[in-house]
Amino acid sequence: NAGVMQNPRHLVRRRGQEARLRCSPMKGHSHVYWYRQLPEEGLKFMVYLQKENIIDESGMPKERFSAEFPKEGPSILRIQQVVRGDSAAYFCASSQQGGSYEQYFGPGTRLTVT
Amino acid sequence: DAKTTQPPSMDCAEGRAANLPCNHSTISGNEYVYWYRQIHSQGPQYIIHGLKNNETNEMASLIITEDRKSSTLILPHATLRDTAVYYCIVRSPSGAGSYQLTFGKGTKLSVIP
Repeated sequence: NAGVMQNPRHLVRRRGQEARLRCSPMKGHSHVYWYRQLPEEGLKFMVYLQKENIIDESGMPKERFSAEFPKEGPSILRIQQVVRGDSAAYFCASSQQGGSYEQYFGPGTRLTVT
Repeated sequence: DAKTTQPPSMDCAEGRAANLPCNHSTISGNEYVYWYRQIHSQGPQYIIHGLKNNETNEMASLIITEDRKSSTLILPHATLRDTAVYYCIVRSPSGAGSYQLTFGKGTKLSVIP
């Protein structure tokens, strides 16, 4: 039973470029969460999505960041016009249902902005 | 969600039990205690969770005090692969904040050969 898949595992972007991070949830899971971990810090919640719906984006920066979870295909976290401060590890998690169900995390995407 | 307090670091000898404490004195009656760990640079791994009764699974045991103000995660026979940062998280069962895992600084457990 495959776990949460994220790709790419490492992504290097120059300032001003766009970054697209993909997340495929575990089989049977329809709830996806994105977290960001800045260097030497804990994980911070960004956004919670169900298929075709954003449920809570209270942790998303107001500008340049967006997320989607289409009916078909993986969830995408998109960062436009990246800046050096966006360099971080971005983790995706999925759960079978919402609420307090256990979240299972992927291996993360490490974004480096040069 | 209630805040949690954990020691910043602990050492444990390989093969011995690792007991990781967590204080959550402001926990509400319906809030769960969750434990996750993060092995260096990897995604967090779910370990166990509980409400008021002690819980055990193949990875660990969770002991919650009767007043629910603190808990202890027990790894019965620690191995070098258990070296990680362990996070104690209190979550509501429902509502807007129930799906946000709030990670604090956790406890860095070092298993010593």
